[in-house]
Amino acid sequence: ETGVTQTPRHLVMGMTNKKSLKCEQHLGHNAMYWYKQSAKKPLELMFVYSLEERVENNSVPSRFSPECPNSSHLFLHLHTLQPEDSALYLCASSQDNEQFFGPGTRLTVL
Amino acid sequence: GQNIDQPTEMTATEGAIVQINCTYQTSGFNGLFWYQQHAGEAPTFLSYNVLDGLEEKGRFSSFLSRSKGYSYLLLKELQMKDSASYLCAVTTDSWGKLQFGAGTQVVVTP
Repeated sequence: ETGVTQTPRHLVMGMTNKKSLKCEQHLGHNAMYWYKQSAKKPLELMFVYSLEERVENNSVPSRFSPECPNSSHLFLHLHTLQPEDSALYLCASSQDNEQFFGPGTRLTVL
Repeated sequence: GQNIDQPTEMTATEGAIVQINCTYQTSGFNGLFWYQQHAGEAPTFLSYNVLDGLEEKGRFSSFLSRSKGYSYLLLKELQMKDSASYLCAVTTDSWGKLQFGAGTQVVVTP
C-alpha cells in the first residue's frame, strides 16, 4: 500500500469519449504529479501541482486537462484522445524529495 | 538537450552482484533517484543521492559523482524477486520535477 490510489485501474475509450482519471493521496503531501508511461519509453512528466497550483505543464496537448481541487485529489480530464495516447498514466505525490507513485491507470484509446 | 542514459537490459544469476550505471547531462541538478518497477506495477523508491559518495541500504547501494554526471545502483545477493526494471531519475529544480531514464530491465536467473 503506497498511500496513493488511482481509479479506474483500466480504461478503454473511443476517440470521441470524455473520461476522467482520479488520483487520491493519503500521505499529507503538498505536491502531486501526472506522468505518462508508454511501452519502451521513459516516464514522461505531464503536470506538476504544488499547494494546488499548477507549476509545470510539460508541453502536454490540450486534450489532457488536469484539475487539483485540493491537496489530496488530482484529476486528469480526457477528451478527443488519439490512439497514440494509449499508455499507463501514473500519479505521484511528494512532500520533500521522494515521490510516491500510485498503481496507475492503463488507458487504451480505440 | 537533457539526457539520462542507462543500459537496456542486464542478466545475472541468483546470489550474484549487478551494477547498473546511469549517466546524465542536465541543465541543473538537485538530486538523483533510483526506482524499482515490477511489470504492471507502480515504481517504488529505492534511493536518493544529492552529495557525492555511496549510500548503502541493505542489499542495495547507490553511488553518485556529480562532477562526472554518473551514478550506479549496486544490487547484492540477487534474489529472483529482484527481476524488475530499475529507473534512474534526476531532479533539476525545487519542484521535484523528475526526468527519467528509459530503465534497465534486470533479469535474475536461477
